Amino acid sequence: EAGVAQSPRYKIIEKRQSVAFWCNPISGHATLYWYQQILGQGPKLLIQFQNNGVVDDSQLPKDRFSAERLKGVDSTLKIQPAKLEDSAVYLCASSLFIGQVSYNEQFFGPGTRLTVL
Amino acid sequence: GQQLNQSPQSMFIQEGEDVSMNCTSSSIFNTWLWYKQDPGEGPVLLIALYKAGELTSNGRLTAQFGITRKDSFLNISASIPSDVGIYFCAGQTVQGAQKLVFGQGTRLTINP
Repeated sequence: EAGVAQSPRYKIIEKRQSVAFWCNPISGHATLYWYQQILGQGPKLLIQFQNNGVVDDSQLPKDRFSAERLKGVDSTLKIQPAKLEDSAVYLCASSLFIGQVSYNEQFFGPGTRLTVL
Repeated sequence: GQQLNQSPQSMFIQEGEDVSMNCTSSSIFNTWLWYKQDPGEGPVLLIALYKAGELTSNGRLTAQFGITRKDSFLNISASIPSDVGIYFCAGQTVQGAQKLVFGQGTRLTINP
């Protein structure tokens, strides 16, 4: 079974530029998550999708971050404009959703390491 | 928001030793998960716990869901070099969108 795919793996940009990350979840996983992981910390949830709808975006800095999952499969996360403090690894994860339950066992992609200069 | 306190922050051990790390919270969680992250990779799920008091093993790894639902521990027996990495606990909240909250991680280093 293929895992969660993410691209690019690395990105270096200057502050105030824009950047986009792509994620393709495990086939059949209806729930998709984007996390931000700052060096030395655990992942922090940015946004959670259920199919193509947003379940939780309470920690997404909406003035500069946006995410979409138009067809309920792959997803993009965008930052515009980037700030120095956005330097981090951006992780995508997915999990099963059966009935009314989004299963807790989240499977992570390799992440995109973003450096903002 | 909810916070998980994971300890220790780092461990330096000899190969073959047993390892123990834990996570505590002031909030109740209904699920505890333990992940391992290698450099340049995403976290990989090791063990999932769903019931207070539950004790689950996965090879040399054993984890328990605390009775109070506010803590969990992970033990690794007879450590080997490939156990090196960062271990994260994660708890799922009882209410709301049931998101995962992660601890700060325990960095394990093994001297051969």
